[in-house]
Formats: sequence, structure tokens, C-alpha cells
Amino acid sequence: NAGVTQTPKFQVLKTGQSMTLQCAQDMNHEYMSWYRQDPGMGLRLIHYSVGAGITDQGEVPNGYNVSRSTTEDFPLRLLSAAPSQTSVYFCASSYGRGSSGNTIYFGEGSWLTVV
Amino acid sequence: AQKITQTQPGMFVQEKEAVTLDCTYDTSDPSYGLFWYKQPSSGEMIFLIYQGSYDQQNATEGRYSLNFQKARKSANLVISASQLGDSAMYFCAMREGDYKLSFGAGTTVTVRA
Repeated sequence: NAGVTQTPKFQVLKTGQSMTLQCAQDMNHEYMSWYRQDPGMGLRLIHYSVGAGITDQGEVPNGYNVSRSTTEDFPLRLLSAAPSQTSVYFCASSYGRGSSGNTIYFGEGSWLTVV
Repeated sequence: AQKITQTQPGMFVQEKEAVTLDCTYDTSDPSYGLFWYKQPSSGEMIFLIYQGSYDQQNATEGRYSLNFQKARKSANLVISASQLGDSAMYFCAMREGDYKLSFGAGTTVTVRA
């Protein structure tokens, strides 16, 4: 997963706490996105961005906030953590649509537990 | 409605044999892409193979091939000559429109020696 860096890898939060999952890529990709993975459900899209300053909601956006101030960074914020947000989070990036956009790079994942 | 359906929660395969993982999809977009990813127990997502909706040939990448049947909306992954290191979760995914990916629930493959 060279090129997409997620931090932290593991985090335990208390209900109501806030935190930010960081995602950075150094490949000058236009598209970045956040997914969550829950057992038996595959990955679900939380938020995505098609370029700096542009973000949009995915399938499960509630409870999460994002911003894209630079091409490289796409942080995911949990404003008030809930146990239902216990999950594994993946950041992904790629070029725009077209053959080069067929290669989607994933970060290594962030394991988040909310107690 | 589910966009990607993987009906096999788990499969066992003997080492050196081939295994087929089923994937059906649902879309009205004429332009889409289909992906297969491998997720080992360590958790990372590993890209295996891609098939575009307009591609005439079935995609192949080493021991991986994608059996693309457009009319049936099916994109099955075939792993030939299975190895112990192939034991993992496998996800089928579809990209519609610009970028958004929809994933299936996954199939766990266990390769037996």
C-alpha cells in the first residue's frame, strides 16, 4: 500500500470523545475516500473527495466530518464517538476516471474501538 | 438494493486446485468497472484484477482471471493452482460513475494442504 498513509493504526476512544483519523497520499491523486469495514458487510463508503476543496457524502456519512484543504491530505473526524463507530477504517486514493483511475490505492487500515 | 452480491460466505479448496468465487452486480450505468481485492488476516486490501464494462476480453493477472458475463451481470474470480498463501477474504467491488466503489460482503477462502 505504498503511497497512502493512515494514522493511527489502533485507537480506543470513550463514548463522546472526538478524534481525527489522518490520511495522506504523495501520488498527486485527485480522488480520495474513506470507507468503514464491519464484519460481514464489506466496505462502505463514508465520504469522498474529487479534489482539493470538494467533498461529498457516501453511503454512511452520519457522525463523520471531512475536509480536503490540500491534494495530499484527507482527514476523517469523529466529533462525538459512539460505540456504533467501532470499525476498521480505510482511506483510499486514485487518479480520476480513465484507465489510470482503475488503480485504487488503500491505506493499511485504522482499527477504532469506542467503549 | 445490493449493488454487489457475493453468495459464498466461505469456501475450502485443496492446494493446487482451482477455485471460483462468485460475484453478481447490479447497475444501470453502461460504463462501470469491476474489481477484486484480497484481504489477508493482516487486514490490508490487495488489488488483484480489474475488468472494464467495455473490455472485450476477460481480464487475467497471473493466476487470477475474471470470468465476465455482461448479460448475466456476473464477474466471477477464478484462482488457479491455489496456494496456502491464497487463504484470505476476497471482495468484489464495482465502480459506477466517477469513483465511488460498492463492495460485496466478501468470501473467505481457506486453502487446505
